[in-house]
Amino acid sequence: QKEVEQDPGPLSVPEGAIVSLNCTYSNSAFQYFMWYRQYSRKGPELLMYTYSSGNKEDGRFTAQVDKSSKYISLFIRDSQPSDSATYLCAMKDTNAGKSTFGDGTTLTVKP
Amino acid sequence: ETGVTQSPTHLIKTRGQQVTLRCSSQSGHNTVSWYQQALGQGPQFIFQYYREEENGRGNFPPRFSGLQFPNYSSELNVNALELDDSALYLCASSGGLAGVGTGELFFGEGSRLTVL
Repeated sequence: QKEVEQDPGPLSVPEGAIVSLNCTYSNSAFQYFMWYRQYSRKGPELLMYTYSSGNKEDGRFTAQVDKSSKYISLFIRDSQPSDSATYLCAMKDTNAGKSTFGDGTTLTVKP
Repeated sequence: ETGVTQSPTHLIKTRGQQVTLRCSSQSGHNTVSWYQQALGQGPQFIFQYYREEENGRGNFPPRFSGLQFPNYSSELNVNALELDDSALYLCASSGGLAGVGTGELFFGEGSRLTVL
């Protein structure tokens, strides 16, 4: 079983919808939680980063971390066609150099 | 501020050959990590370099090797290429020592390797 599990999708929503993307994990040592956006044939781009449990908001994006449930979420409000991409969750513990990624959820926002 | 640049962007090799991929880190970043991303999967950690020393390695065989140079640029070398090595190879830079940092990675566009 993978350390990080992510719903693969694909997910298709109409423009303006609220999108919820989720990951679960098994390693309780993870302290840093990231969301990356990856457009087709491009490198991942860091969207959000959260330390430990709690919420973080940045514009239309909200990241939530529930360490007790080992569950993280990314919410996108007022989704736009330009949000169409693959979203990768990633996690890291304090003492490791590597980040562990989920396999990504592909999102399509239809005009 | 210059972002992470990788070269070449695409290349095709045959099984058994060797390949070298190159990465220039973002200005001010001294840590470089390499990831392999197979089609439909998330990036898998290969290794990380900090101040020219390897600082952690993922579950990849020794035929995957790397270097970091004094200007923090880096190379990934893969010997004895296998068909399963076909993937997007991503370089990511970060400030400070990522091992004790936040894990915020800044990726390049990747080098897409096809092994025939």
